[in-house]
Amino acid sequence: SQQGEEDPQALSIQEGENATMNCSYKTSINNLQWYRQNSGRGLVHLILIRSNEREKHSGRLRVTLDTSKKSSSLLITASRAADTASYFCATGSNNAGNMLTFGGGTRLMVKP
Amino acid sequence: DAGVIQSPRHEVTEMGQEVTLRCKPISGHDYLFWYRQTMMRGLELLIYFNNNVPIDDSGMPEDRFSAKMPNASFSTLKIQPSEPRDSAVYFCASSYLAAQETQYFGPGTRLLVL
Repeated sequence: SQQGEEDPQALSIQEGENATMNCSYKTSINNLQWYRQNSGRGLVHLILIRSNEREKHSGRLRVTLDTSKKSSSLLITASRAADTASYFCATGSNNAGNMLTFGGGTRLMVKP
Repeated sequence: DAGVIQSPRHEVTEMGQEVTLRCKPISGHDYLFWYRQTMMRGLELLIYFNNNVPIDDSGMPEDRFSAKMPNASFSTLKIQPSEPRDSAVYFCASSYLAAQETQYFGPGTRLLVL
């Protein structure tokens, strides 16, 4: 079963708006990562946040982690049409065979 | 620096045929992963290697699937015999230091079994 579950499954916004995607997980983790997948391509790593961190930024990306709620959010500010992709969270946990477990993804469409 | 390289990029074969997918990880990476992605099941980990040794193959669906890593720069995933339900995109990924750290994915092999 998937450790991380993204919400919403699909999101459609206008260019310039902010996009927020959420990820919930079940067991304790060592880190949580977000990946992007453009149509027909491999996954690309965006950001990694460790269990002792609460917030991390990278360019227009902001990731938060709440270990008490077992949840994370990815915020993309000032979205662009090029941000259209699927976004996956992945959790690294010793409880899951010491490897990454990926969620089902959020499909983001940014309309120009 | 070249990323993870996979070949072929597309493969169309008939049921019952043998299929071999190939992967070259990023130089210096200790871990190599094979994933399968379908609309129905999402991204599934099939097997992963550490220093060329298979560590966890619990995701390999059946005996029809086998994977090898003869050296640090090459791995294969073989399906024999192939079935239509094996149709999917197969990704290879590699990482450095630990299986839970950042993974770098190849472009994938899109497999269609008729």
